[in-house]
Amino acid sequence: AVQLVESGGGLVQPKESLKISCAASGFTFSNAAMYWVRQAPGKGLEWVARIRTKPNNYATYYADSVKGRFTISRDDSKSMVYLQMDNLKTEDTAMYYCTAGRELGYWGQGVMVTVSS
Amino acid sequence: IQLTQSPSLLSASVGDRVTLSCKGSQNINNYLAWYQQKLGEAPKLLIYNTNSLQTGIPSRFSGSGSGTDYTLTISSLQPEDVATYFCYQYNNGWTFGGGTKLELK
Repeated sequence: AVQLVESGGGLVQPKESLKISCAASGFTFSNAAMYWVRQAPGKGLEWVARIRTKPNNYATYYADSVKGRFTISRDDSKSMVYLQMDNLKTEDTAMYYCTAGRELGYWGQGVMVTVSS
Repeated sequence: IQLTQSPSLLSASVGDRVTLSCKGSQNINNYLAWYQQKLGEAPKLLIYNTNSLQTGIPSRFSGSGSGTDYTLTISSLQPEDVATYFCYQYNNGWTFGGGTKLELK
């Protein structure tokens, strides 16, 4: 069965950095585009970032709200995807979900990131 | 592309036929998906490419639409369908709608 397991969340102060991870299993990870989607408390879903596969040069895409501050990356040898978050703001507080596939067919359980002083 | 979902809150009775709307600011070319999110859970894919039912999803869920206007229909509402529903376009960039919260009357 497909599994996506996020880790690394926590409480950080504004302007600090945090790196969250997602471990994938149950599918051919190297063939799948991977995404991060977030959800602020009580709010809707927000698409954050996307990374394509090796044949597509691991191209990356970002929401305007995080461009220049967040970096998505992947390690196909470990079936892992990461989100490096720098210069965090209070508005980045959210549950962060790792998702797979163009239609976002698979989701992890999410990891909470809280940015507060 | 911006997505507008309506209504934002919908109250219906068990057995009702329920219709949720998602309108794009531009042509979505049928690259539209629907998700169900129950309280405290991750979203779950219901429908992709406008009308393709994800494996394991009950057949009472269906999708339709074209251009900028899309619809999710639940043919006979069940108690377990209480959730928030989001649409998502992946035609030009990637965008979610604001969601429709479905509750029992």
